[in-house]
Amino acid sequence: DAGVTQSPTHLIKTRGQHVTLRCSPISGHKSVSWYQQVLGQGPQFIFQYYEKEERGRGNFPDRFSARQFPNYSSELNVNALLLGDSALYLCASSLAGVGLYGYTFGSGTRLTVV
Amino acid sequence: DAKTTQPPSMDCAEGRAANLPCNHSTISGNEYVYWYRQIHSQGPQYIIHGLKNNETNEMASLIITEDRKSSTLILPHATLRDTAVYYCIAPRASGGGADGLTFGKGTHLIIQP
Repeated sequence: DAGVTQSPTHLIKTRGQHVTLRCSPISGHKSVSWYQQVLGQGPQFIFQYYEKEERGRGNFPDRFSARQFPNYSSELNVNALLLGDSALYLCASSLAGVGLYGYTFGSGTRLTVV
Repeated sequence: DAKTTQPPSMDCAEGRAANLPCNHSTISGNEYVYWYRQIHSQGPQYIIHGLKNNETNEMASLIITEDRKSSTLILPHATLRDTAVYYCIAPRASGGGADGLTFGKGTHLIIQP
């Protein structure tokens, strides 16, 4: 069984550009969450989606948006990129929205904004 | 989430038990304690979770004090591959998971050969 897969693994963008990151959850998992991890810090919660609906949002600006598709895969979009958006973006999936059974994380997308 | 406090770093000799403490004095009665670890450049990995009773799985044991204000993650026979940042998390129970997980800075465990 494949784990959580994220694409691309690495990405370099210029300030002001837009980026789309993709995530495929474990088969059967209906909940996907997104996290941002800057160097030296723990991951920070951005969004949670369950059954294609946004169920939670962290303290991030409106430049960050996401959606979940009928097959439960998800996209994270970031507009008007800033240097400070450089980070490891992590996707996590779980069976249900509550995630009490533990999240499974992907290996992340390393975004560098120059 | 309940606030958790962990030491920033710890060392442990290979083959010995690694005991990682976590304080969560504001935890509510129905909030679980979760442990994750993150090996360099990888996503966090779920280790174990518990509510009141001690728990054990193939990776580790979790000891929760009777008053639930602190817990200890035990890696019984640490190997070099256990070198990682370990996070103790107590997510808000009533949030339904919609608040996400609050990771903090965790404990950087270094296993010495």
